[in-house]
Amino acid sequence: DAGITQSPRHKVTETGTPVTLRCHQTENHRYMYWYRQDPGHGLRLIHYSYGVKDTDKGEVSDGYSVSRSKTEDFLLTLESATSSQTSVYFCAIRGTSGGSLGGEQFFGPGTRLTVL
Amino acid sequence: AQSVTQLGSHVSVSEGALVLLRCNYSSSVPPYLFWYVQYPNQGLQLLLKYTTGATLVKGINGFEAEFKKSETSFHLTKPSAHMSDAAEYFCAVRDYYGGATNKLIFGTGTLLAVQP
Repeated sequence: DAGITQSPRHKVTETGTPVTLRCHQTENHRYMYWYRQDPGHGLRLIHYSYGVKDTDKGEVSDGYSVSRSKTEDFLLTLESATSSQTSVYFCAIRGTSGGSLGGEQFFGPGTRLTVL
Repeated sequence: AQSVTQLGSHVSVSEGALVLLRCNYSSSVPPYLFWYVQYPNQGLQLLLKYTTGATLVKGINGFEAEFKKSETSFHLTKPSAHMSDAAEYFCAVRDYYGGATNKLIFGTGTLLAVQP
């Protein structure tokens, strides 16, 4: 158990509203990730963080922003939600085995977001 | 760029039969490879990983995978399927861009059904 929680677990919102999803970890991991999962696409990386205030874009970052003001929390914000952002969102942390660059990732339970 | 291809988005086997889920990768460097399992309404759980060393890797729940460089493959197998193996399975490769990164590239997943 990597000690990752996500909140909320389910959310329904309307087009144009801002939405913030929270990922919380309890084991002081440096690297954290946000993915979205859609049928036929697998998991696609939205943004990731390599330390407090250090973030970078993934392959599907348009329409999303992130913040990491402390090690344990990584926030994903949809500034103005659209129906195309209806998805399941997963947070992950990178494990420390395998040396500095070989660690596998561990996933949270996910947030199911529906944008009407 | 690294990539992963999972052949067969849906695989159905009978209980007790061999499970074979296919994964081919493309990598410009020796790859780090991973298999994850996702049960309904849950996050992804690491099954096994290959980094270096022995090419036959054993994981949890009786699964194993063999790294074959000549075939650029990392197929997942289990000798005898159990009903509890019904889930979606994802293959992933560590990304590499001018150097190893801390990102994973995921395949689109294979949904395994186990028939009684």
